[in-house]
Amino acid sequence: GENVEQHPSTLSVQEGDSAVIKCTYSDSASNYFPWYKQELGKGPQLIIDIRSNVGEKKDQRIAVTLNKTAKHFSLHITETQPEDSAVYFCAVRPESSASKIIFGSGTRLSIRP
Amino acid sequence: KAGVTQTPRYLIKTRGQQVTLSCSPISGHRSVSWYQQTPGQGLQFLFEYFSETQRNKGNFPGRFSGRQFSNSRSEMNVSTLELGDSALYLCASSPAQPREGQYFGPGTRLTVT
Repeated sequence: GENVEQHPSTLSVQEGDSAVIKCTYSDSASNYFPWYKQELGKGPQLIIDIRSNVGEKKDQRIAVTLNKTAKHFSLHITETQPEDSAVYFCAVRPESSASKIIFGSGTRLSIRP
Repeated sequence: KAGVTQTPRYLIKTRGQQVTLSCSPISGHRSVSWYQQTPGQGLQFLFEYFSETQRNKGNFPGRFSGRQFSNSRSEMNVSTLELGDSALYLCASSPAQPREGQYFGPGTRLTVT
């Protein structure tokens, strides 16, 4: 079945700097790649997603890139702010099982003032 | 539009008991998925319902079951509770196909003593 690896598990960056989180997946037929942000005491919130026919997508300070050949995708947050501190999860929807989603293990991002 | 709601938010049960958790999806959403979140195993897919039918199931024992009603509201049930069932149970809804993006509720925190 599909396997998703996420790195790093923890990340600390200075406020205003950029943060990058990377994920790799195993099923080359997977075609949908969302990213979620989870704050303390809340459920995951969808922040950006990308489909396999697109290489990059941007939404203000957040961008996601996808390399289908290498089977990896990344989340980029620029000009980080204190409210970006949270746990971020990448996820993959396998083509073979379109109604379920496989999550990475999460990255705890801390923004230093 | 109101988000996904889950009840109750917190629950304490004893080993051997059973529990029922409830999820109301975003209005108009017909797909409901359930996930278990623990520090050790992360976010794991339990099952997904669409139009009152279970479309997919994760690798959980038969003690975990669910159902969906005609108004798309969903319940999940865990029988014969074990200590290891202590977790945050998250419900997510999407319009039709989960590939369109899933929106999570705040979760039910279940503690088994």
